[in-house]
Amino acid sequence: NAGVTQTPKFQVLKTGQSMTLQCAQDMNHEYMSWYRQDPGMGLRLIHYSVGAGITDQGEVPNGYNVSRSTTEDFPLRLLSAAPSQTSVYFCASSTTGAVNYGYTFGSGTRLTVV
Amino acid sequence: ILNVEQSPQSLHVQEGDSTNFTCSFPSSNFYALHWYRWETAKSPEALFVMTLNGDEKKKGRISATLNTKEGYSYLYIKGSQPEDSATYLCAFMGAGGTSYGKLTFGQGTILTVHP
Repeated sequence: NAGVTQTPKFQVLKTGQSMTLQCAQDMNHEYMSWYRQDPGMGLRLIHYSVGAGITDQGEVPNGYNVSRSTTEDFPLRLLSAAPSQTSVYFCASSTTGAVNYGYTFGSGTRLTVV
Repeated sequence: ILNVEQSPQSLHVQEGDSTNFTCSFPSSNFYALHWYRWETAKSPEALFVMTLNGDEKKKGRISATLNTKEGYSYLYIKGSQPEDSATYLCAFMGAGGTSYGKLTFGQGTILTVHP
């Protein structure tokens, strides 16, 4: 099992550029989430999904889009990158039995917007 | 925005010391409370998922308790070792509707264990 795979690991964007952060899991997990991690701010939820075709906003959704067309994939789109989006992004997934197992996290994508 | 708070923000202990940290969360609409360990340059890893008031979980030297009525959880580490150095995160999951699957994290407690 690969677990949760995030690509790319590192990315530098210019202000105004768009890009997609990829997240894939091979554990047949229903729940998937995107978080950003900033110094002193902990992990903040951007968007999450409870199954294919179902997404909802988290705490800091502005400037990001998501879709969930398959169980396996949950890409995060930056529409027009801004320096405030410089952060480390984590994707995580879980079964609906999250009460037993918790979330499995990817290794993160470090994004710098210049 | 849900308020999930952890204290202390950081902690330095000597090898062999026992220590504990606190997570406070909303006492209403509770579904589950998660604890994660996050080592530097790695990803968070789940330690415990707790759902019932009075729950106690244990994994080796680490244990956790849960009080949903007053909205707090304690994480205990007995006989700390340098390899326990990490950031410990708690996360709250509410019940009902779109709250399922949605974790709200505290800011974490950074533990440093000195040899």
